[in-house]
Amino acid sequence: DIQMTQSPSSLSASVGDRVTISCRASQSIISHLNWYQQKPGKAPKFLIYEASKLQSGVPSRFSGSGSGTDFTLTISSLQPEDFATYYCQQSHSMPRTFGQGTKLEIK
Amino acid sequence: QVQLQESGPGLVKPSQTLSLTCTVSGGSINSGGYGAYYWNWIRQYPGKGLEWIGYIYHSGSTYYNPSLRSRVTITVDTSENQFSLNLTSVTAADTAVYYCARQNIAVGGGLDYWGQGALVTVSS
Repeated sequence: DIQMTQSPSSLSASVGDRVTISCRASQSIISHLNWYQQKPGKAPKFLIYEASKLQSGVPSRFSGSGSGTDFTLTISSLQPEDFATYYCQQSHSMPRTFGQGTKLEIK
Repeated sequence: QVQLQESGPGLVKPSQTLSLTCTVSGGSINSGGYGAYYWNWIRQYPGKGLEWIGYIYHSGSTYYNPSLRSRVTITVDTSENQFSLNLTSVTAADTAVYYCARQNIAVGGGLDYWGQGALVTVSS
């Protein structure tokens, strides 16, 4: 199985800040990397696919980059509704695997 | 707008079988063109980790996580626009929120629609 490791596990930031979350795969997944946002008590919401492509309806302050084994999710200017937990997931090989999550909290 | 809804018992006794159904509305399980949609089950343990369980295609072909393969069966009923999960011989370690989700090849195989989740507790 491909192991997905996110860093940091938690992050405190303020509204308006630029934040970056990292995701590393245990082997190359080319660009087969997805990002999700999850709020308490809700299902994950699909944000980004193929490492850098924004899912329809997702605000442009979200962006993704990377290829191979190292990927990042960037939120350019945090909004109050962005405080949530973020997960990466590889869709390169079976079984699909997720990172352990990064909890983004208000400072 | 596609919607998915999980249903099934919220409490299952140890050693018994966990059974959940996902009903798809706003779109057909059959739709999406060749190879476009796969119908997935994912679970989330208390305290956050997400584990992919497996998927089914509308034709009935499946792929299961090897860690669960001996206990999992996913089936599809296209006439009812539903797919189902059976997990046998459950233990407390299977206590989790179970999600159904659509995998869409057109968006890199991402899971673009999710159900709201069903909490299943394994306890006597």
